[in-house]
Amino acid sequence: QKEVEQNSGPLSVPEGAIASLNCTYSDRGSQSFFWYRQYSGKSPELIMSIYSNGDKEDGRFTAQLNKASQYVSLLIRDSQPSDSATYLCAVNPKTSYDKVIFGPGTSLSVIP
Amino acid sequence: DTGVSQNPRHKITKRGQNVTFRCDPISEHNRLYWYRQTLGQGPEFLTYFQNEAQLEKSRLLSDRFSAERPKGSFSTLEIQRTEQGDSAMYLCASSETGYTEAFFGQGTRLTVV
Repeated sequence: QKEVEQNSGPLSVPEGAIASLNCTYSDRGSQSFFWYRQYSGKSPELIMSIYSNGDKEDGRFTAQLNKASQYVSLLIRDSQPSDSATYLCAVNPKTSYDKVIFGPGTSLSVIP
Repeated sequence: DTGVSQNPRHKITKRGQNVTFRCDPISEHNRLYWYRQTLGQGPEFLTYFQNEAQLEKSRLLSDRFSAERPKGSFSTLEIQRTEQGDSAMYLCASSETGYTEAFFGQGTRLTVV
């Protein structure tokens, strides 16, 4: 089992809709969780971090964490074409608190 | 500019040659990470430093790879005897101690021909 798993996509949503991106992780002791956005040919950009169960909102973005289910998600409300990118889920595993392990990413396409 | 800076941005080299990349982290960040990313994959952890100390190195990293951070500031990643399979984007990131929100540089894209 891979440490961090994501659906590779592509996920296509119409402009203005809610995009839902999902991530599961294998290390039950993981403490910190991150969502990065990566445009084609560019480096990852941190957009959200979450540490406690529940929801965390930042503008159009909401991160949701459920440690019991080992599941973290990212919701993007009012999706815009500029949101089209690959979204990387990253986890700080208990086995090594000082590093972050990335999932393969989910490609999102927002259709005007 | 207070972000993470990587040089060069692109490197084309012949198989068998050695290459060296440089990373300048955000000035107040004590931790520095190196990742490698190939097309369609997420970044793969290579190694990280706490100040000048290299604290972890991935088992996937062969002996041809070496990284240094001599004064706890900038870091270099050297690949000796490059192979075509080394072609990838090499990403550097930095973070504050005890705080794993990491910020990435622009990356160095290596092409081995």
